[in-house]
Amino acid sequence: GIQVEQSPPDLILQEGANSTLRCNFSDSVNNLQWFHQNPWGQLINLFYIPSGTKQNGRLSATTVATERYSLLYISSSQTTDSGVYFCAVVRSNDYKLSFGAGTTVTVRA
Amino acid sequence: EPEVTQTPSHQVTQMGQEVILRCVPISNHLYFYWYRQILGQKVEFLVSFYNNEISEKSEIFDDQFSVERPDGSNFTLKIRSTKLEDSAMYFCASKLQPGAGPYEQYFGPGTRLTVT
Repeated sequence: GIQVEQSPPDLILQEGANSTLRCNFSDSVNNLQWFHQNPWGQLINLFYIPSGTKQNGRLSATTVATERYSLLYISSSQTTDSGVYFCAVVRSNDYKLSFGAGTTVTVRA
Repeated sequence: EPEVTQTPSHQVTQMGQEVILRCVPISNHLYFYWYRQILGQKVEFLVSFYNNEISEKSEIFDDQFSVERPDGSNFTLKIRSTKLEDSAMYFCASKLQPGAGPYEQYFGPGTRLTVT
């Protein structure tokens, strides 16, 4: 199956700092989604971004499908940004999401 | 905004008991999924469902698991005889179209299953 690698595995930030999370995948994809898992375990859909760039408030994401990677940017981080961020992809001609292992972000006040 | 809902939010059961996890996908969506996340691990695909039949299932989805769409709105996952290792968060998801195209999957809030 497709391999999805996220880096770094852990990230500790001071409130107000900016950060970049990376997702590499091993095959061509037709879907890529970024999720934030909150302390209650819910998966919050951040971006649906199979290609291109999107922004939503302090978060933005870029996917370069031809080079098989996606980046999630967090600017002016807040303590509420803490949690695990997952990248998930659907390989071309497939139907199911394959998830990475996640990046655990801790934002300190 | 339409959303996927799941009930219950938390289910505690004893080993060997049957459980049914319920999901209401977004109303005009056609393709449905169950995923599972064991505590501290990544989310794994269990099964996909379209047109009242299983489209694909993972190795995890053995004979103790079954899925059903009993009416026009609900989508259920049944675990026949629960084991300790079935303890996990179970997520339901749906998407608008059944094809392999670039279609976003919408996730429910999850059901946390604890088997004692």
